[in-house]
Amino acid sequence: DTGVSQDPRHKITKRGQNVTFRCDPISEHNRLYWYRQTLGQGPEFLTYFQNEAQLEKSRLLSDRFSAERPKGSFSTLEIQRTEQGDSAMYLCASSSYNEQFFGPGTRLTVL
Amino acid sequence: TQLLEQSPQFLSIQEGENLTVYCNSSSVFSSLQWYRQEPGEGPVLLVTVVTGGEVKKLKRLTFQFGDARKDSSLHITAAQPGDTGLYLCAGAGKSGGSNYKLTFGKGTLLTVNP
Repeated sequence: DTGVSQDPRHKITKRGQNVTFRCDPISEHNRLYWYRQTLGQGPEFLTYFQNEAQLEKSRLLSDRFSAERPKGSFSTLEIQRTEQGDSAMYLCASSSYNEQFFGPGTRLTVL
Repeated sequence: TQLLEQSPQFLSIQEGENLTVYCNSSSVFSSLQWYRQEPGEGPVLLVTVVTGGEVKKLKRLTFQFGDARKDSSLHITAAQPGDTGLYLCAGAGKSGGSNYKLTFGKGTLLTVNP
């Protein structure tokens, strides 16, 4: 039974660098979500896809952030010109109906 | 303003004790999900409640959705050290909005001491 997988699990980068994260959802799930979680907070919604279409984006998703799901399967989240405030856990989830199943997350540290 | 308020924020109890944690909102949700998260890991789905007044049981865990679908509670009977973790509630379909975007509370950090 394969769940949601994310790669890498940890990323340390210097301010100003670009980073890209990958998410592989549960295979039969057509919806994919990205969330961000900082210390002491619950996850905050960033964006979601239905198949390859990006249907909603949060105000949190500045123009430095871009997400894609080119073939309706895996997704990538890219952050350009990283800032220290981008340090967080980036979580991916997938669903076929309303129940969302999360991956293990990518911990980003921006120095 | 936090849309979903969870209380208490921290809870430390001894093995064998019972506890209840709460998730409250002024908004109506079409469904509410409870997750448990361990450090450095993603949240793991425990249950989804959809109908006002609904009660669901998962072994020693009992979940209730308020009649007005604005609040929920999680009760754990005879807590065990393995129950330690961050318990998060998340609502979908806030006030008739998107059913796909989850709004999370800050969580209750539970520690069960042996």
